[in-house]
Amino acid sequence: NAGVMQNPRHLVRRRGQEARLRCSPMKGHSHVYWYRQLPEEGLKFMVYLQKENIIDESGMPKERFSAEFPKEGPSILRIQQVVRGDSAAYFCASSARTGRDQPQHFGDGTRLSIL
Amino acid sequence: KNEVEQSPQNLTAQEGEFITINCSYSVGISALHWLQQHPGGGIVSLFMLSSGKKKHGRLIATINIQEKHSSLHITASHPRDSAVYICAVSGGGADGLTFGKGTHLIIQP
Repeated sequence: NAGVMQNPRHLVRRRGQEARLRCSPMKGHSHVYWYRQLPEEGLKFMVYLQKENIIDESGMPKERFSAEFPKEGPSILRIQQVVRGDSAAYFCASSARTGRDQPQHFGDGTRLSIL
Repeated sequence: KNEVEQSPQNLTAQEGEFITINCSYSVGISALHWLQQHPGGGIVSLFMLSSGKKKHGRLIATINIQEKHSSLHITASHPRDSAVYICAVSGGGADGLTFGKGTHLIIQP
């Protein structure tokens, strides 16, 4: 299966801990997008990365959140000192080329629960 | 910033009915996407279109660029079509997609 792989599928953290969400794009894709879906709300863009570069992080909260997409390995969305409001589904999507008219392929998401 | 509005928010129909979900957006776009999400599940891309009409099986998507409006149609609806259908747009100044709130569709047998 060469689809977008996200892990873990479910993640439980206590307030104050760190959460690391991983996304492996489709084979041959070098563009990754992270989106967040809060309970009872629509999806919201967080960050757009290409290999080793953050292109647009306008949707990312200014504190506690960071993202990377290293030359080797998956893209990581990191949330430090988690709070209850971080509980959400986090989706990753990938595309093969740059451009706003490119299809995006989504993963199954990571459901993050904060106790 | 683009605003994406979907209607209806909720839709319940009987098996076999013809379904229409509407989407409108406020500024010019590069492309419009229709996505499907089952409860607790992942997101599947159904269509990406920038003009005209596309068809895949029982699903049809149309877009009118001048009116900034798109529709998703489902013919001969089936209970397995029950899901949330989400309209999203790319372009309009943003790198990521801008999403509508989704339409919760239930098809009763």
